[in-house]
Amino acid sequence: GQQVMQIPQYQHVQEGEDFTTYCNSSTTLSNIQWYKQRPGGHPVFLIQLVKSGEVKKQKRLTFQFGEAKKNSSLHITATQTTDVGTYFCAGINTGGFKTIFGAGTRLFVKA
Amino acid sequence: DTGVSQDPRHKITKRGQNVTFRCDPISEHNRLYWYRQTLGQGPEFLTYFQNEAQLEKSRLLSDRFSAERPKGSFSTLEIQRTEQGDSAMYLCASSPGLAGGSSYNEQFFGPGTRLTVL
Repeated sequence: GQQVMQIPQYQHVQEGEDFTTYCNSSTTLSNIQWYKQRPGGHPVFLIQLVKSGEVKKQKRLTFQFGEAKKNSSLHITATQTTDVGTYFCAGINTGGFKTIFGAGTRLFVKA
Repeated sequence: DTGVSQDPRHKITKRGQNVTFRCDPISEHNRLYWYRQTLGQGPEFLTYFQNEAQLEKSRLLSDRFSAERPKGSFSTLEIQRTEQGDSAMYLCASSPGLAGGSSYNEQFFGPGTRLTVL
């Protein structure tokens, strides 16, 4: 079955350092979404990427969708303590509705 | 509060008992999803509704799990003959669908129901 793999599992950074999480799908995706989940909270939608090679920015966050629509990345510039949480990618196959989440990357930011 | 709501927030039950959870999506959203999440893992897709139609169901779901959305509004998830392995957070999410324009697929999650099977 379809799998979405995400690395790294954990990342510890000093405040101000950059952070990147990577996501790879075993199949070509229709689109990919990114969510953030704070400890004890529920996932919150960040963004959706649809086009091959698409790059979107939200302030310090940069999201990329690979040319083959099988991989994606989230990069945070100059992390802040408010960035703490787990970042999940979620892939949706063409013609389907099933959303497959990666295992997430948990970000720790030390002040 | 116009977000997604779930009830109950916590449920403790004994192995073998049946449990039912309720999800109330955002009122104008016609898409509804159920997920299961265990510690350290991402949400695991269980099923998807578009209005009242259940369009996709995970093969991981055994016959003990069933979900309904009878009027295309709230949804229920029932687990029969619960097992200790069913202990998890059960999350519901809704999205606008095509009426939501560019946000059609954005999923809004509820707070979840934490199930503990003793």
